[in-house]
Amino acid sequence: DTAVSQTPKYLVTQMGNDKSIKCEQNLGHDTMYWYKQDSKKFLKIMFSYNNKELIINETVPNRFSPKSPDKAHLNLHINSLELGDSAVYFCASSQGQLGTASPLHFGNGTRLTVT
Amino acid sequence: RKEVEQDPGPFNVPEGATVAFNCTYSNSASQSFFWYRQDCRKEPKLLMSVYSSGNEDGRFTAQLNRASQYISLLIRDSKLSDSATYLCVVKGEGTGFQKLVFGTGTRLLVSP
Repeated sequence: DTAVSQTPKYLVTQMGNDKSIKCEQNLGHDTMYWYKQDSKKFLKIMFSYNNKELIINETVPNRFSPKSPDKAHLNLHINSLELGDSAVYFCASSQGQLGTASPLHFGNGTRLTVT
Repeated sequence: RKEVEQDPGPFNVPEGATVAFNCTYSNSASQSFFWYRQDCRKEPKLLMSVYSSGNEDGRFTAQLNRASQYISLLIRDSKLSDSATYLCVVKGEGTGFQKLVFGTGTRLLVSP
């Protein structure tokens, strides 16, 4: 009964490959996110979807393409992987609302290593 | 100025000590503040929300100072299990929907 689950947990791949990470939440939340945590442990938002609509898109290379088939799922596809993409990618969800923010619930992360 | 700034530490304290962390933020209009805890190689987990009047949860006390734009976390009677990185989180600038911005975290090491 995991609340936010993402797969795979580990992903090792070569430069130039294309890979996907999947995320699902069973909390009934309407907003989902992708965050990237780099080697310096800085956690930075990449994308946010509310009810399948993209609402936050930070300055992320267009090699990264999120897709939300429904409000319980948010996947991340990465084309032409580069060494600098190596990081831990966290999916999260919240009951999003205007104004006051509600806390995020995180998945356990996908550790991506690009060689 | 960074949106959210924290002292990275580490803060090394003995068991039983009281330790406090501060975090400054740039969005004077923010209404939402949180402290998260992240253990090594794990996901961040909500520790507590921070309310305007300050709030307490067991050994943890959070305070908000809007005038100076900082929030604080006080941990009393530190336990070994409190060793972790504590992340300050603030609702970011310029968006209606929430964009939560994380500080880089303050590392706490509690020793026997």
